[in-house]
Amino acid sequence: EVQLVESGGGLVQPGGSLRLSCAASGFTFSSYDMHWVRQATGKGLEWVSAIGTAGDTYYPGSVKGRFTISRENAKNSLYLQMNSLRAEDTAVYYCARAGAFEPLDIWGQGTMVTVSS
Amino acid sequence: IQLTQSPSFLSASVGDRVTITCRASQGISSYLAWYQQKPGKAPKLLIYAASTLQSGVPSRFSGSGSGTEFTLTISSLQPEDFATYYCQQLNSYPYSFGQGTKLEIK
Repeated sequence: EVQLVESGGGLVQPGGSLRLSCAASGFTFSSYDMHWVRQATGKGLEWVSAIGTAGDTYYPGSVKGRFTISRENAKNSLYLQMNSLRAEDTAVYYCARAGAFEPLDIWGQGTMVTVSS
Repeated sequence: IQLTQSPSFLSASVGDRVTITCRASQGISSYLAWYQQKPGKAPKLLIYAASTLQSGVPSRFSGSGSGTEFTLTISSLQPEDFATYYCQQLNSYPYSFGQGTKLEIK
């Protein structure tokens, strides 16, 4: 079964750091681009980052310089290192699979990140 | 690239035909996808490349458009279709989503 499982969410103080993980199974992880998408409670979807099969990375302005996406193909794992966290980063974070310039066809169940003092 | 969905809220009845529009701030060819999200669940891919139905998605869902204007149509609403729908552009990074359209039961 094709599956993505996120972990690593939790409560962190403003200015703090957190590392999210996404474990992939059921497909050839190294052949796919991978993405992070977040959703604040009651709000819409916000694209957060992507990493291509060659390790190329992409971010929107809202997280560029603070978040770092990475992957470890040998472990079928995706990561999101989040630094200098702000209250507005509070959200459910989803990892998702995609082909190059293709849609996000498989999503994880999400992991909650709360930034609060 | 900004995506603007209309309407933001839609009230309809079972059996109705509904259409949701997504407008892009610049041309994105056919690099547009539609997702359905139900409360507490991850989004589900419905349509990609503007008009291609994802495997397993009922044929009452259809998409059309190219360039800057796109539509998602549900031909005959079923009870399980009441959800929030999002468009997403895949033409260039940073990828972006529309603000969502919440489809509610009338």
